[in-house]
Amino acid sequence: EIQLQESGPGLVKPSQSLSLTCSVTGYTITSGYDWSWIRKFPGNKMEWMGYISYSGSTNYNPSLKSRISITRDTSKNQFFLQLNSVTTEDTATYYCARYPGALDYWGQGVMVTVSS
Amino acid sequence: DIVLTQSPVLAVSLGQRATISCRASQSVSISSINLMHWYQQKPGQQPKLLIYRASNLASGIPARFSGSGSGTDFTLTIDPVQADDIAAYYCQQSRESPLTFGSGTKLEIK
Repeated sequence: EIQLQESGPGLVKPSQSLSLTCSVTGYTITSGYDWSWIRKFPGNKMEWMGYISYSGSTNYNPSLKSRISITRDTSKNQFFLQLNSVTTEDTATYYCARYPGALDYWGQGVMVTVSS
Repeated sequence: DIVLTQSPVLAVSLGQRATISCRASQSVSISSINLMHWYQQKPGQQPKLLIYRASNLASGIPARFSGSGSGTDFTLTIDPVQADDIAAYYCQQSRESPLTFGSGTKLEIK
């Protein structure tokens, strides 16, 4: 069974970087598909942030392009999100998901609060 | 970006049909492929894929869920509605990057 699990700090200070890990079991991230980060804001708006493909190429939402980086560690079957210069507007629940055209497997999500 | 518009709330009686709509600001279809997908999200849980490419039932999803539509207008139908279906429903397009989501429709019981 394919499972994804997010991990990372639940509290980040403004102007710092947010770093999250998505650990994947049951499927090797280099075998295929794209591996996405999505976030859901308080008030329920959902935003796709970007993905890293099975080959290692990336595609980011232009609204975040200057602040976001998605990387991976293939030896650990993990991929990562880094979001720089965060503000309180980055407070959200962050999800990782597999993307073979639709987002078919999701992690449980991690709530991140940006606050001093 | 492609904007997806959904009504915020839909109230239906148990056992009746629920029809949730999603309208795109431009076509999300390529030839006969409709790149619209539907998700269910219950409080405290992650979203779950229900329907992919407008009308294809995702694995393990009950047949009371169905999807239709093309171009800019899409519909998710739940028939009959059960108590377990109380949730928020989101449409999402993959026609072009960035992927975008609708604002969600909250299904309530009348």
